[in-house]
Amino acid sequence: KQEVTQIPAALSVPEGENLVLNCSFTDSAIYNLQWFRQDPGKGLTSLLLIQSSQREQTSGRLNASLDKSSGRSTLYIAASQPGDSATYLCAVQGNTGFQKLVFGTGTRLLVSP
Amino acid sequence: DTEVTQTPKHLVMGMTNKKSLKCEQHMGHRAMYWYKQKAKKPPELMFVYSYEKLSINESVPSRFSPECPNSSLLNLHLHALQPEDSALYLCASSQGTLQGRRANTEAFFGQGTRLTVV
Repeated sequence: KQEVTQIPAALSVPEGENLVLNCSFTDSAIYNLQWFRQDPGKGLTSLLLIQSSQREQTSGRLNASLDKSSGRSTLYIAASQPGDSATYLCAVQGNTGFQKLVFGTGTRLLVSP
Repeated sequence: DTEVTQTPKHLVMGMTNKKSLKCEQHMGHRAMYWYKQKAKKPPELMFVYSYEKLSINESVPSRFSPECPNSSLLNLHLHALQPEDSALYLCASSQGTLQGRRANTEAFFGQGTRLTVV
């Protein structure tokens, strides 16, 4: 059974810092990995999708990397802003089982002005 | 347009009520999902519909009844719920399979329905 863990569970940084969020998964037989952002009480916003054959994806100040063999992904946020404060979730989709996303435990990020 | 729309945003219902949650997307996606999220926990899959057919039911109690009337709409019918069913219910969609092969499976989520059972 796939298990996805995110470290740290919570992170507080001053505005302007670069930061790294970590995601690890136990079964390396994944089809893709997706990073989401969730504001309190709201839905999920897709940030980046990395296919299993890719090593990284970039969107603006966000860069996500994937090391499938070691079961790890990182989300790098450059020059953090207070508006980046949210919970960040990674989710993996396996090679078998129809499109089921298994979510990580999440990292709550607070960026202070 | 990458929008998934859920209604209502908030719902309070008694344990004897019958209510429905609605979800709509116009991205041409053929896979639609219901997830349940409890406070400070990650979302958990409930149901998956592919081409309007139920393909996954994650052992969800029968008091939750999904329906996919067409490729753009997904409903979740609720009946005789318990207080522990109170949660954020999220709908999602993705492109699904294309000619039997898995297509781009990026999932897009709605804003959720906050359900409180009293």
